[in-house]
Amino acid sequence: NAGVTQTPKFQVLKTGQSMTLQCAQDMNHEYMSWYRQDPGMGLRLIHYSVGAGITDQGEVPNGYNVSRSTTEDFPLRLLSAAPSQTSVYFCASNRGEGETQYFGPGTRLLVL
Amino acid sequence: QKEVEQDPGPLSVPEGAIVSLNCTYSNSAFQYFMWYRQYSRKGPELLMYTYSSGNKEDGRFTAQVDKSSKYISLFIRDSQPSDSATYLCAMSIMNRDDKIIFGKGTRLHILP
Repeated sequence: NAGVTQTPKFQVLKTGQSMTLQCAQDMNHEYMSWYRQDPGMGLRLIHYSVGAGITDQGEVPNGYNVSRSTTEDFPLRLLSAAPSQTSVYFCASNRGEGETQYFGPGTRLLVL
Repeated sequence: QKEVEQDPGPLSVPEGAIVSLNCTYSNSAFQYFMWYRQYSRKGPELLMYTYSSGNKEDGRFTAQVDKSSKYISLFIRDSQPSDSATYLCAMSIMNRDDKIIFGKGTRLHILP
């Protein structure tokens, strides 16, 4: 099993550009989440999904969109990148409610 | 009061020492407690988890939960330089929703 994979590993964007961060898992987990991690702020939940076709907002959803058309994939879209979105983004998946989350390796995003 | 509090450190200890990492929490409904280890530029990886109160041991690592004090600990015996990482506590309310609440992490340095 590859576990949770994320692409790209690193990306530089200009303000106003859009992009999609990819996340995939091969563990057949129903639950998937996106976090951002900033120094001194810990992990903050952006969006999450409890199954294909179902998504909901987390703590810091503004500026991000998600969709979940399959169990395996959970892409995160930045519609118009802002410098405040410079961060490290982690995708995670878990089998069920409150169960252990498995994290991807992260995507480092720099918005100029 | 934040739901989960964790001292960010850094915590520096000599090789071979016993390390104690701690988190406090405010929500008495938390039942599932986890410790993640995160190496620099990597995603968090699950180290240990416990359900409800009590101790759990795995090799050099011991996780302890004191629900009466709303306090959890991770002990590392015979610490090694390879244990140098950021340690995040996490907890959740099982059977309610999928959100897992993370502490901000404690940076640990083991000095050779």
